[in-house]
Amino acid sequence: QLQLQESGPGLVKPSETLSLSCTVSGGSVSSTSYYWGWIRQAPGMHLEWIGSIYHSGSTYYNPSLKSRVSIAVDTSKNQFSLKVSSVTAADTSIYYCARENGHRMDVWGQGTTVTVSS
Amino acid sequence: QSALTQPASVSGSPGQSVTISCTGTSSDVGGYHYVSWYQHHPGKAPKLVIYDVSYRPSGSSSRFSGSKSGNTASLTISGLQAEDEADYYCCSYTSTISFVFGTGTKVTVL
Repeated sequence: QLQLQESGPGLVKPSETLSLSCTVSGGSVSSTSYYWGWIRQAPGMHLEWIGSIYHSGSTYYNPSLKSRVSIAVDTSKNQFSLKVSSVTAADTSIYYCARENGHRMDVWGQGTTVTVSS
Repeated sequence: QSALTQPASVSGSPGQSVTISCTGTSSDVGGYHYVSWYQHHPGKAPKLVIYDVSYRPSGSSSRFSGSKSGNTASLTISGLQAEDEADYYCCSYTSTISFVFGTGTKVTVL
């Protein structure tokens, strides 16, 4: 059974870079059938798609976040990662990783809370 | 990109049906047959309940159904049960090769 688990610091200082990883178990990020994505939810707000990556490294990003976001894949570790630069309090969110199967997110991680504060 | 528009809340008694609307534009909901719906209990991972407008994934209750007309998609929950109380989000593929979620709807079982 495919499982995804987010990991990374729970506290990031303003203007710094947020870095998270998503470890895939029970499946492979090298699969040719799926993209792997990141979604977040700020407190009291709706879900927001951040971006996704294919095993080849091909990426797609939310246009509103594209200038600050980078997603990478490490097939040797069966992981993919997210970096958000120049963070502010507005980046405080629960961050989820998910498998994109076609045009849907069919398997999600439990989410990890990241707070931006000095 | 602007979030898709959903009603903030809907409610119904056990056994009743409720319908949640999701309104976008011709660049997202209206332009593609790629609308999905997610059930989200706070503190848990969102769960896919409908994909490609009207298809149910395995493990999703047959009480969930989806449809679309023009720029508006809809999710109907029939035979409402206490366990259906949650937040629901629609999501659409867009012309900018990205996804956009809806504003979310809280379903309350009275």
